[in-house]
Amino acid sequence: SQKIEQNSEALNIQEGKTATLTCNYTNYSPAYLQWYRQDPGRGPVFLLLIRENEKEKRKERLKVTFDTTLKQSLFHITASQPADSATYLCALAVNTGKLIFGQGTTLQVKP
Amino acid sequence: GAGVSQSPSNKVTEKGKDVELRCDPISGHTALYWYRQSLGQGLEFLIYFQGNSAPDKSGLPSDRFSAERTGGSVSTLTIQRTQQEDSAVYLCASSATGRSGNTIYFGEGSWLTVV
Repeated sequence: SQKIEQNSEALNIQEGKTATLTCNYTNYSPAYLQWYRQDPGRGPVFLLLIRENEKEKRKERLKVTFDTTLKQSLFHITASQPADSATYLCALAVNTGKLIFGQGTTLQVKP
Repeated sequence: GAGVSQSPSNKVTEKGKDVELRCDPISGHTALYWYRQSLGQGLEFLIYFQGNSAPDKSGLPSDRFSAERTGGSVSTLTIQRTQQEDSAVYLCASSATGRSGNTIYFGEGSWLTVV
C-alpha cells in the first residue's frame, strides 16, 4: 500500500543545533515533494519544494534533500531557534496538483 | 482576497444535522483543495478541483460528504447527517494552476465539533 511516514515522536533539540526531520514514502513515484510548517490552530504554510531531479534545495537556514532511490527526504533547520518550534509536514505530489501529506513531526527547540 | 478565507471558523452541531463549510480561494487561483485534519493527525485529502475539469473526489470518506465549486471560485463542502467521527478541522487550500510545483496556500480551517 502507499504510505508516507514521518517520525511521529516529537523531536526535542537545543537552540543553536541542527534539527533533522525525515520523510519516507513507499509505492509512490512523486514528481516533487514539499515541506510545510504548521503552528497550533493554524493552517499549514509552505516552506520548500524539491523536484525529483533535484538532490538538494536551500532557503536561508532550511535545507531539503530528496533521494528517490531511498524514497526519502530530509529536512534540516540549521542554527535552530525556539521560534522554529512547530509541526513540520511533508507532502508528495502523486499526480498533477494533488498533494498527499504525512502526519507531521513536532519540533521543540529549547532555549 | 489576500488569502484563502474559510467560514465558519468554528461550528458545533448536533449529531445527525447537516453542515456547510465555505471556502473563498485566493482570487485568480484555478485549483482548490479540501483536506481534513483530526486532532494530532496529518492532513487527509478529501477533494480537488482544477478549473473546469471533473473534480478528484477520491478522498471523500462517504456519500454523506459532497463538495461543489461555483463559477470556478467559491467552494462549499457539505456533510450530511453528521457523525461524531466527523469532528475535525476542515482545511481549504488554493493554488494558481494546480500544476506541478505550484505552491498551495491554506486557509485557517473550519473547526467542526459534532456533539
